[in-house]
Amino acid sequence: DSGVTQTPKHLITATGQRVTLRCSPRSGDLSVYWYQQSLDQGLQFLIQYYNGEERAKGNILERFSAQQFPDLHSELNLSSLELGDSALYFCASSVVPGWANEGYTFGSGTRLTVV
Amino acid sequence: EDKVVQSPLSLVVHEGDTVTLNCSYEVTNFRSLLWYKQEKKAPTFLFMLTSSGIEKKSGRLSSILDKKELFSILNITATQTGDSAIYLCAVELRGDDKIIFGKGTRLHILP
Repeated sequence: DSGVTQTPKHLITATGQRVTLRCSPRSGDLSVYWYQQSLDQGLQFLIQYYNGEERAKGNILERFSAQQFPDLHSELNLSSLELGDSALYFCASSVVPGWANEGYTFGSGTRLTVV
Repeated sequence: EDKVVQSPLSLVVHEGDTVTLNCSYEVTNFRSLLWYKQEKKAPTFLFMLTSSGIEKKSGRLSSILDKKELFSILNITATQTGDSAIYLCAVELRGDDKIIFGKGTRLHILP
């Protein structure tokens, strides 16, 4: 167990629907990162939060949004889902941005299947 | 555009062989280079490299960074079937704190 908890582990939903993925960072980590992993694109950085504030944005679609709450857990909201959104979504955490001495700790991921 | 390129994309070797995985990068504001091993699910951290020429070693795995030529290699000696995994290279950027991953090298070790 890495200490980063992601729920749910699996999600199957229909096109056009909206889902919320949840991440609880490792105890003591203030920074949360979201990634999307598909077979052809590899791990794509979506967005990063630090202590409740958005810190960096990657290739995140406008249909996607995220936030980090006061208790430091984070949610990734995916709306108007399309077949191409099917992927493994990872959350990672670190103590502070740029503190990679122990590497960013990844959760086990949420596998999203859009049908 | 910032990018990280890994090669080869896949590799099949026999147990006991030595393998070298490559990672080259072109980024605007380099902070560090990270190697991860991904088996079934979550990537697990292997190394972080920030300085050129200093080898990091952990058991049969070692890695080194060349900041002049903008690449890193990950060596695995005396490979075992348990080394079969996807090896990911990532570059952490200074300033905007983004981390860019390569597409990975899928390594398969035959018994």
